[in-house]
Amino acid sequence: QVQVVESGGGVVQPGASLRLSCAASGFMFSKYAMHWVRQAPGKGLEWVALLWNDGAFEKYAESVKGRFTISRDNSKNTVYLQMNSLRVEDTATYYCAKGDGSGSYYALDYWGQGALVSVSS
Amino acid sequence: EIVLTQSPDFHSVTPEETVTITCRASQNINTGLHWYQQKPNQSPNLLIKYASQSFSGVPSRFSGSGSGTDFTLTINTVEPEDAATYYCFQSDSLPFTFGPGTKVEIK
Repeated sequence: QVQVVESGGGVVQPGASLRLSCAASGFMFSKYAMHWVRQAPGKGLEWVALLWNDGAFEKYAESVKGRFTISRDNSKNTVYLQMNSLRVEDTATYYCAKGDGSGSYYALDYWGQGALVSVSS
Repeated sequence: EIVLTQSPDFHSVTPEETVTITCRASQNINTGLHWYQQKPNQSPNLLIKYASQSFSGVPSRFSGSGSGTDFTLTINTVEPEDAATYYCFQSDSLPFTFGPGTKVEIK
């Protein structure tokens, strides 16, 4: 069955960096776009980033543009989110989600259990 | 950026009632609208994709309709396990966006 499992969350200070990983299984990873979505404590969902199946196109929410980078290694069935210059307002549970297709304009059909990132001094 | 608004914010219903949640987009998103259910301390689950297509394994009491700017999620004969927050999400135009959510309580 389809599974995506996030790891790498933790507690960091403002200005620090952190890299999240998302290991996928149960589907042909190289054929699907992948996304990151976050949810601040007690708040709603916020789409963060998208990366096409072949890595040729990426897009970010304005709130993270220039600080976060999404990447993937199709040989390892893994997508990453490199988060730099972290701010208190980046505190959230970060979900990895599979796209319903290879490019941009698809539903997010399978989600991981989330990785908690806490940014605090 | 496309803004999604949902109504109501909160819905308290008794079992077997029908629940209707609406999602309105700030501009035409065709059928690029999807519905998710999130129970407390769980990740979101896809219910309806592309406005009206049921996702695999989702109970038939969940249905969706709409196109353009106005969309509806309907839960027929709601069950206690349907207590959750429901979000709409648009993937028609980047950056993608979510609605603020509708919390459904089962009395």
